[in-house]
Amino acid sequence: GAVVSQHPSWVICKSGTSVKIECRSLDFQATTMFWYRQFPKQSLMLMATSNEGSKATYEQGVEKDKFLINHASLTLSTLTVTSAHPEDSSFYICSARWTGTPYEQYFGPGTRLTVT
Amino acid sequence: GQQLNQSPQSMFIQEGEDVSMNCTSSSIFNTWLWYKQDPGEGPVLLIALYKAGELTSNGRLTAQFGITRKDSFLNISASIPSDVGIYFCAGSSGGGADGLTFGKGTHLIIQP
Repeated sequence: GAVVSQHPSWVICKSGTSVKIECRSLDFQATTMFWYRQFPKQSLMLMATSNEGSKATYEQGVEKDKFLINHASLTLSTLTVTSAHPEDSSFYICSARWTGTPYEQYFGPGTRLTVT
Repeated sequence: GQQLNQSPQSMFIQEGEDVSMNCTSSSIFNTWLWYKQDPGEGPVLLIALYKAGELTSNGRLTAQFGITRKDSFLNISASIPSDVGIYFCAGSSGGGADGLTFGKGTHLIIQP
């Protein structure tokens, strides 16, 4: 149990275009989902917290107008990188928190974004 | 902001050896989690710790939540080749609605 999927697993886009990444909890309902970013050989950095039916909470330094998050249901959150630039190239990973284990977060497999 | 200091940064060991890594924090955490990440994949939860002083095992893995709530360690006994990867500690200071603060990771390399 506690499986989280992401789609796509990798994407290449041109500078200035927008990219949408989906995060789904497959076998449980997630009231809260989180989005992280990981640059090569670095740790995961929290970008935002997404609660179902409400606006996302962004970490300091993360542009909310650039990284649009929608958590429309208990099993789906999306991250849209708008007007992507090469510096947005990174590994984006989502996680989901199951109501049964408040502090355990289960991570998706990640999405590799390359902006050319 | 909160910071986690994880050490060592990397470890080169022989198969069969025991491994120990730890994390310290500048502030108190209510929960400590240990994850393993393989290249190009998301982190996989290994052990979750909820109480100060708690010692928890998962197979060959043992982790402890420091009594001060500012540190945690992970031990791996009798390492095997599939243990290779990057191990991250992560902490949460909130009530479950908070994202995690991650350590910088320990890269475990096992020499045959």
